Amino acid sequence: GAGVSQSPSNKVTEKGKDVELRCDPISGHTALYWYRQSLGQGLEFLIYFQGNSAPDKSGLPSDRFSAERTGGSVSTLTIQRTQQEDSAVYLCASSSWVGGMGETQYFGPGTRLLVL
Amino acid sequence: AQKVTQAQTEISVVEKEDVTLDCVYETRDTTYYLFWYKQPPSGELVFLIRRNSFDEQNEISGRYSWNFQKSTSSFNFTITASQVVDSAVYFCALSEALTSGSRLTFGEGTQLTVNP
Repeated sequence: GAGVSQSPSNKVTEKGKDVELRCDPISGHTALYWYRQSLGQGLEFLIYFQGNSAPDKSGLPSDRFSAERTGGSVSTLTIQRTQQEDSAVYLCASSSWVGGMGETQYFGPGTRLLVL
Repeated sequence: AQKVTQAQTEISVVEKEDVTLDCVYETRDTTYYLFWYKQPPSGELVFLIRRNSFDEQNEISGRYSWNFQKSTSSFNFTITASQVVDSAVYFCALSEALTSGSRLTFGEGTQLTVNP
């Protein structure tokens, strides 16, 4: 079956502009996660959605970052007023919730964001 | 505090050598999950294995094997008879059921290069 898909695969923007990154999880997966991978910070958690529960936003680095998940499926990560330090690869993952926490997360190919 | 430590930043071996990638974790939870992911040059994170804290049985899958030891808080990964296609960055990750929900905490990764 289809895996996690993300778009765009690459995004170049100017400092101060807003960007939207999209994630389409594996069909039937109720949990969706966003991570960021950058040279200085490694792989870091950003935000997590599970079903209709309130999202865990504890990893978002600033209030310029927000995310939503519509209809329990597709998610959009929005970065407002982008800064150069936002340059990174943004990874989305999804998992089932059959056994609860600790289910395997499957990752998409990522969106490489470059802020000039 | 660093919760997942992969002390080996880079390892270089010659094809057909065996190689072990170390992972040491830290958690106060009694229920937790450990993972290994592979990130080839294409960039996508590929799931390799998931272990829960109640299952210390070692696992072998083809040329891959994993040694989980709670007494030393380690979850090491061995590749037997390495091949060039094994060249990638390998990440160990921890999911703590009670403390941090389902988010993954990643180690810094180990860059493995297998030379022909």
